[in-house]
Order: sequence, then C-alpha cells, then structure tokens
Amino acid sequence: SAVISQKPSRDICQRGTSLTIQCQVDSQVTMMFWYRQQPGQSLTLIATANQGSEATYESGFVIDKFPISRPNLTFSTLTVSNMSPEDSSIYLCSADGTGQETQYFGPGTRLLVL
Amino acid sequence: GQQLNQSPQSMFIQEGEDVSMNCTSSSIFNTWLWYKQDPGEGPVLLIALYKAGELTSNGRLTAQFGITRKDSFLNISASIPSDVGIYFCAGGNSGGYQKVTFGTGTKLQVIP
Repeated sequence: SAVISQKPSRDICQRGTSLTIQCQVDSQVTMMFWYRQQPGQSLTLIATANQGSEATYESGFVIDKFPISRPNLTFSTLTVSNMSPEDSSIYLCSADGTGQETQYFGPGTRLLVL
Repeated sequence: GQQLNQSPQSMFIQEGEDVSMNCTSSSIFNTWLWYKQDPGEGPVLLIALYKAGELTSNGRLTAQFGITRKDSFLNISASIPSDVGIYFCAGGNSGGYQKVTFGTGTKLQVIP
C-alpha cells in the first residue's frame, strides 16, 4: 500500500485568493486523483492526474478553477483558485495501488473560505 | 452518471452485535472497494473485491461482490467501539486506470 501525505492539513483563506495543496506519495504511482468532500457527504472526484500529461477533469470541474500539476511519479498539487465560501470543503488526494485495482488516500486538507 | 446507494444511511448498534450494510448500483462494476473514514481522516481501505461472487474477509470484516456485479455487502461481526465511523463503498471499472465512484456512506455508531 502507498502512504500519502498532504500539506497543509487545514487552512482558513480569504475570498478571492488561491490555495495550493500538495500531495506526496512514498512510492512511485501511475495515477493520482483529487477529490472534494463536503461536510457529511461522500467523495466527489475532481480530476485524475497522470504524470506527463494534462489532468482529466470530471463534469462540473474546470482547469481554470482547479489547476493541477503532476511533475513526477510521487507528487501532485491542486490549486483552488479565486476561492469563494462555496469552496469550503475537505480536499483529498489519492493514488492507485500499483499492480492492484485500489486507491489509497491522504489525510485530507480542510479548507475554510471566509 | 453512475450512482451508488448505501443502506442503511446510519445505524446505532450495541457493542458485540453484528452489522450488515450494503451498496447497490444502477451500473455494473468490475471492482468493489470498502473504506472506513474516521472523523478528520482520509478513507482507509478495508477490503477489495475483484470477482463476481467473491467473498473476502479481513479480521472481523467480511465483504461480498454481488453476482450481478451491481451490488456489494459488508458485514462486521462482534462490533467494538472503534468500529465507529463512516463506511463507504466504491465501484471501479478499470479502463487503463482505476477510476472509482463512491457510495453515499453508512454512518455507524456503537453503543458501549
């Protein structure tokens, strides 16, 4: 299994600013994923990040709002741009289990936008 | 799009009791995953199922991949207080990579 860390663990941000969340995996992985989880809700996939190519976004999510980088096989970032209070949520990254059809998750980043 | 419905939505049980929860889909999946999420944490993988009809155990947890490939079940035997949390199912269809859809979640509370 992969061990995944995220930074920051939480943040309080002002409306109109941007926050970049970092995700680090302890081993090389093919795919990394970014999810959003509203309080008390399930997980919604934002995008899939493959190293060396553009991220693939799910319906309702766009690159201008959630730009993603994947510079190597162990690291990815998600930026939440031009934030509004509606962006307050938990943002989770995950990575595929290499050789297994599974996903392992980081601890999440708790974002509050004022 | 695909939707995964979990039932029950929430449950209170007495410590020592067995628990059953299920997950149903309108679409077929090739993989079923069960996760547990504690407050303030990310989901932790409990069991992965890869074959229709498969029954897999992990300690006191047992999960089954439904033969129709549209459902899955998770059972917890002899519940303990640390079983408290939200349990999510997730269905996957590998098409070059594992993209999964998460269920609505079952919140479990255990009364000591």
